[in-house]
Amino acid sequence: NAGVTQTPKFRVLKTGQSMTLLCAQDMNHEYMYWYRQDPGMGLRLIHYSVGEGTTAKGEVPDGYNVSRLKKQNFLLGLESAAPSQTSVYFCASSQRELYNEQFFGPGTRLTVL
Amino acid sequence: KQEVTQIPAALSVPEGENLVLNCSFTDSAIYNLQWFRQDPGKGLTSLLLIQSSQREQTSGRLNASLDKSSGRSTLYIAASQPGDSATYLCAVRPGRGSTLGRLYFGRGTQLTVWP
Repeated sequence: NAGVTQTPKFRVLKTGQSMTLLCAQDMNHEYMYWYRQDPGMGLRLIHYSVGEGTTAKGEVPDGYNVSRLKKQNFLLGLESAAPSQTSVYFCASSQRELYNEQFFGPGTRLTVL
Repeated sequence: KQEVTQIPAALSVPEGENLVLNCSFTDSAIYNLQWFRQDPGKGLTSLLLIQSSQREQTSGRLNASLDKSSGRSTLYIAASQPGDSATYLCAVRPGRGSTLGRLYFGRGTQLTVWP
């Protein structure tokens, strides 16, 4: 049982390049989330999904797109990377019932030059 | 919008001390509150989850309390050890609003325990 895994762990992009971050969970969780963590800002929600085929915007969605084609996977895409997207990205998942805890992946450290 | 504040931002103590980390939140309508530990360059490890109907949770040397009406939670660490050095994050899950299940995080308390 691997929990929540993220690929890749590190990435350096040039401004304007695109990439996709992959999150996978093996706990059969309905809800999945993408957060970003910046120094002095805490974690902020980018997008989330309440089930396969559904996605919704969080508080900082601009410049990102997401897809949830399979229940166990949640993809975060950057179409045209900007230096402001340099951050650490965390994926999380939880069961449908809101009293359950949220589990986090190890993070992806992204630098945009 | 829910706002979560953690005090102090940083704490440095000698080994063996008992210590308290504080977390406050502005909207008392929460489902639960979760404390996490984050080591440098690593992900978040869940330490304790307190439901809105509970007053406290314990795990080993850790004890977390919740006073929902006043919007406060404390994490008590007994007999601190150098291995406890990390950043501790508090997060609340709102009980209302449209973003189902999301967490609102504080900025964390960076703890250093020296031998």
